Amino acid sequence: GAGVSQSPSNKVTEKGKDVELRCDPISGHTALYWYRQSLGQGLEFLIYFQGNSAPDKSGLPSDRFSAERTGGSVSTLTIQRTQQEDSAVYLCASSADRSGYTFGSGTRLTVV
Amino acid sequence: DQQVKQNSPSLSVQEGRISILNCDYTNSMFDYFLWYKKYPAEGPTFLISISSIKDKNEDGRFTVFLNKSAKHLSLHIVPSQPGDSAVYFCAAKKGGADGLTFGKGTHLIIQP
Repeated sequence: GAGVSQSPSNKVTEKGKDVELRCDPISGHTALYWYRQSLGQGLEFLIYFQGNSAPDKSGLPSDRFSAERTGGSVSTLTIQRTQQEDSAVYLCASSADRSGYTFGSGTRLTVV
Repeated sequence: DQQVKQNSPSLSVQEGRISILNCDYTNSMFDYFLWYKKYPAEGPTFLISISSIKDKNEDGRFTVFLNKSAKHLSLHIVPSQPGDSAVYFCAAKKGGADGLTFGKGTHLIIQP
């Protein structure tokens, strides 16, 4: 597609439930990133995929968080046993070079 | 520990005047810097970047200045327009790494 697509745009879930967030990067972009923005905070790096290399998971805040990228394209971020502190906007970005990333509109996750 | 700092959470500027957004960084390994602009309910969009081999990069109304010795960069917008009202994020990356480190953002408000 023309841009980075994320779904759902909004998600409200009960504490303790699992959620899956989806990202469709720009076709041909080999790099894919997940960030999150909590209230009043900057963009926090979560995980990075580059081609077929092992992902850089150094930003994942706990083992409840995991991500996959299938076929070098679509990525899914999974949060297990959600907690209230997981409430944030989760942003996906893709890039073809180092000049800049293209971000999706994000998924606003609210854990109640 | 915040490696990229935007110390002004918000800035109010009159339309037509110059807006100056500041950013400081602590990691001397950073060699590429970017500014992103974010409207509510949208993902950040790339605005302008600068490599550490330069001290200035200009694109229309937007100019980014880099002072490596002070580990400081700034974004100048002149003249400021109502559509410039948004949150501006400073970001940095280092060497061969691909992840971006973001500041917390500055909310720019252009007053009519």
